[in-house]
Amino acid sequence: DAGVIQSPRHEVTEMGQEVTLRCKPISGHDYLFWYRQTMMRGLELLIYFNNNVPIDDSGMPEDRFSAKMPNASFSTLKIQPSEPRDSAVYFCASSIIRGDEQFFGPGTRLTVL
Amino acid sequence: DQQVKQNSPSLSVQEGRISILNCDYTNSMFDYFLWYKKYPAEGPTFLISISSIKDKNEDGRFTVFLNKSAKHLSLHIVPSQPGDSAVYFCAATSNSGYALNFGKGTSLLVTP
Repeated sequence: DAGVIQSPRHEVTEMGQEVTLRCKPISGHDYLFWYRQTMMRGLELLIYFNNNVPIDDSGMPEDRFSAKMPNASFSTLKIQPSEPRDSAVYFCASSIIRGDEQFFGPGTRLTVL
Repeated sequence: DQQVKQNSPSLSVQEGRISILNCDYTNSMFDYFLWYKKYPAEGPTFLISISSIKDKNEDGRFTVFLNKSAKHLSLHIVPSQPGDSAVYFCAATSNSGYALNFGKGTSLLVTP
């Protein structure tokens, strides 16, 4: 298995632009998680899905952030409009069980100018 | 509010010595704890875990200790190797409804 796949690996955009991050979880994993890593806040959970259904989005910072999972093999995290404070590394992870070991993708480093 | 805390941002240890990384948690509902290791430009990878029914779990050079009364766990690496240099994240969860809560990480540097 190729593991969790994220694209792009790096994204540089200007303030106000729409940004879409993509994730392909490990096949057979029922849970998908989106995290954001910053120096100030560490690794924070934004949202997670179970069987493609969003379960907890309380970590999504504001309405500019949205996430979808149209099928078991694909999820997107969208920021519209983007702001410089959104600059961070965004990780996608998947797991078989919610509270068990999660497998992380390599992350997308987002820079908003 | 940070429910999992790693109060040491960094740690430097000589090769061959023991590395001890600490983690504290505040939520008494947490009953399963994990350590992740992260190299630069990579995602975190699972290292070792422990259930609250145990106080120790060992896997090769890595041992995790859990002190429930103190809400404290620690990761011991013996002997430390230069390849262990990475950021280590502590995480906690519960089957009663929590996803993983991560600490901010401790950067370990093992010097030759």
